[in-house]
This record gives sequence, structure tokens and C-alpha cells, in this order.
Amino acid sequence: DTGVSQDPRHKITKRGQNVTFRCDPISEHNRLYWYRQTLGQGPEFLTYFQNEAQLEKSRLLSDRFSAERPKGSFSTLEIQRTEQGDSAMYLCASSLSRGTSAEQYFGPGTRLTVT
Amino acid sequence: AQSVSQHNHHVILSEAASLELGCNYSYGGTVNLFWYVQYPGQHLQLLLKYFSGDPLVKGIKGFEAEFIKSKFSFNLRKPSVQWSDTAEYFCAVNKALGDTGRRALTFGSGTRLQVQP
Repeated sequence: DTGVSQDPRHKITKRGQNVTFRCDPISEHNRLYWYRQTLGQGPEFLTYFQNEAQLEKSRLLSDRFSAERPKGSFSTLEIQRTEQGDSAMYLCASSLSRGTSAEQYFGPGTRLTVT
Repeated sequence: AQSVSQHNHHVILSEAASLELGCNYSYGGTVNLFWYVQYPGQHLQLLLKYFSGDPLVKGIKGFEAEFIKSKFSFNLRKPSVQWSDTAEYFCAVNKALGDTGRRALTFGSGTRLQVQP
């Protein structure tokens, strides 16, 4: 499978614990995006990388959230001291930076439940 | 800030009925427009996209959308729906080249389409 992959697919954690998610983009894609989707809503942008550089972070990305993309390949999203409001689907997408119209390909998401 | 509005949250149609899902965006600059679909249990997939040129764009599975710049709209249409079109549909926008800013997508809240056999 050459699509975007995410791991784990599901994560249940207790409030206050730290969690880390991984995203593997399509191999030749240099842009990588993280989105969050809650029930009944569309995905909301969290942050994006071009190669290893984190170029933008949304206001939704509080200081408990951190994302990395070492070596410009896979990316990790860590949430520290999880809260019940962090329960959501976390989506990763990747694209090429060719022009402006590069299509974003989405992964299957990681569903986080904070109890 | 840009935003996307999808007016229909839940649409129920019978097979062979025609479909039109509304999408309006608020942004004064040049934008790229997208419709994504999420079938039950699957990830988001691109249905069609508009960057420039002919405002009537055709996508996969018989879907099309029309960009009307004066109305800031990008409505999705299909002349005859099938049971397999049951899914959630998301309209999205990002800024086009030449305008500084992020390339991240801004999504609408989605429309759940249920097609009854």
C-alpha cells in the first residue's frame, strides 16, 4: 500500500496521560499536514511541515501539543496531559509542493478517546 | 480568515434522484476548491477539484461541481445517485499561489448523504 498510513488506528487513554501518534506520508511527498476532526464537523487544521520544517501551527495547537518531522519523512504528533476535549480523530495528509494546487492525500486517521 | 459553509447537514434521497449539495466560502482572494468524500469506514478521498479555467469541473463517479465566483459558491451535483453514493461529503478551500499564507485546507462541516434503494 503506497498511501498515507497512521499508527495506531485507535487509542484509548486516561486523562492526564501522554499519547503519541505516527504518520507515514506517501514517500515522495514533501508536505505533511495534521488535522483534527470531531463528530459532526469537518477536519480542522492543526499544523503542517514542508520537509522537516514546521511552517505553520493553528491556534488549536495548544502548548500540550507538539509535532515533529525529523528528516522530513514520517511525523509524530504528541499530546501531553490529555484532556477529555482532546477526544477526536487525528488525520494526517501529505502532498507535493508543486504549485499551489497539490492534492492532499489523507490517511485513515487515529481515533483518540480520553476517558 | 477563510470559512466554508455547507448548508445541508443530512440529505436523504432515493436512488436515481438528482443531487445538489451547497457549498459557500468566504475569502476574497484566489482560491482552490475541493470536494472530498468519506465512505463509511474509509478515509477521505478527493472527489474533484477546481484551480482555474472552466468553472464546471467533473470528478470521479459522475460527480461535477460548478464554481460561481460572484456567489462564492462551489456546489456539487450528480444527475442520478446510487446507493453506493451513501457517504459524507466535505467541501474545502485553500489559498491559491501568489497569496501568502498556508496551503492547509479549510473544510466545511460536511453533508451526510443517505441514498435509499
